Amino acid sequence: DAGVIQSPRHEVTEMGQEVTLRCKPISGHNSLFWYRQTMMRGLELLIYFNNNVPIDDSGMPEDRFSAKMPNASFSTLKIQPSEPRDSAVYFCASSFARGPEETQYFGPGTRLLVL
Amino acid sequence: AQSVSQHNHHVILSEAASLELGCNYSYGGTVNLFWYVQYPGQHLQLLLKYFSGDPLVKGIKGFEAEFIKSKFSFNLRKPSVQWSDTAEYFCAVNARGYQKVTFGTGTKLQVIP
Repeated sequence: DAGVIQSPRHEVTEMGQEVTLRCKPISGHNSLFWYRQTMMRGLELLIYFNNNVPIDDSGMPEDRFSAKMPNASFSTLKIQPSEPRDSAVYFCASSFARGPEETQYFGPGTRLLVL
Repeated sequence: AQSVSQHNHHVILSEAASLELGCNYSYGGTVNLFWYVQYPGQHLQLLLKYFSGDPLVKGIKGFEAEFIKSKFSFNLRKPSVQWSDTAEYFCAVNARGYQKVTFGTGTKLQVIP
């Protein structure tokens, strides 16, 4: 079975440019999570969706960040405009929420560098 | 809100040494507990998880963890580490019934051949 798929795996862009990160969750999973990992702040939850609906976006740093999940098999995280401090590894994770026992499975991540 | 503490930030061991990584959480209710491993340059992979039942949980690659409710701890153990265990290890917790998972800051393990 394919795991969580993320693209691109690496992205280098210049400050001010728009960046779009993509995620395809594991087939059958109904929850999707976006995380950011940096040396300074560790792993932070940015936003998560249940059945394509955003549930908690309190971790989104600011209005420059937005996330969508138009269907059960695709999500995007967009940064516009990007800034050097957005440089990080962005992970997508998915799970099948069916009660109190739930496990998140992570994608390979997108390593973003904003110059 | 729950929080997770991993007290060891960096651990260096020789091959065949035994490993124990500490993890403590703070939350008064029932929790789910996880250990993830991140090999250099890779994504987080699930090592093991605890939902309920036997507090001693066995995972992949010979790892195990013990949930001690009275100590709010979920320490990770391995009797004999290998060079290939060099990675960063994350403890994570979520309150049962809630999806938001809180991760610890991670412990970097370096195994010297």
